[in-house]
Amino acid sequence: NAGVTQTPKFRILKIGQSMTLQCTQDMNHNYMYWYRQDPGMGLKLIYYSVGAGITDKGEVPNGYNVSRSTTEDFPLRLELAAPSQTSVYFCASSSSGYGYGYTFGSGTRLTVV
Amino acid sequence: AQKVTQAQTEISVVEKEDVTLDCVYETRDTTYYLFWYKQPPSGELVFLIRRNSFDEQNEISGRYSWNFQKSTSSFNFTITASQVVDSAVYFCALSVRMDSSYKLIFGSGTRLLVRP
Repeated sequence: NAGVTQTPKFRILKIGQSMTLQCTQDMNHNYMYWYRQDPGMGLKLIYYSVGAGITDKGEVPNGYNVSRSTTEDFPLRLELAAPSQTSVYFCASSSSGYGYGYTFGSGTRLTVV
Repeated sequence: AQKVTQAQTEISVVEKEDVTLDCVYETRDTTYYLFWYKQPPSGELVFLIRRNSFDEQNEISGRYSWNFQKSTSSFNFTITASQVVDSAVYFCALSVRMDSSYKLIFGSGTRLLVRP
């Protein structure tokens, strides 16, 4: 039972480069989320999805894009990476969202230099 | 405003001491859920407990206990007889409604260091 799988675990990007953070869940959850965690801070919501083909912005969407073509996959795209995007990124999924604890991936530590 | 406040940035205790982590929340929702997560040094987020707004009973699970008080908007977490393995960052979170879903709002976390 894999749960939520994120790849890669670590990545160093140069300013202006682009990359995609992958997230896959095998629990058939409709709800998926991307959070970022800055040092010494809690998690902030970047984007979320309530089902395949439906995505919406969270609190801090600037500089990111997402897509949800299947129930399983919810990739996060960084275009023109900036040092401010240095963070740990967590993907999560949930069967219903409200009241049900999320299942988090193990995180991707991204450094932009 | 809807937010979670964890005023204790860092707590250091000696093993076997009891320690309480504070969590105060604000929400306009009448129905909501509160959560505690543990983030050990390895970095993953570990779910500890969920509590809904209708259930103010305290919960005990082994050395962990939680005290939920709606009157003071608090959801405090106590570790009894702390152990070195309890060293981690602990996050309190609140489930709030968005346009078409719900999201977790996290506090800034409390770093607990348990010294041998």
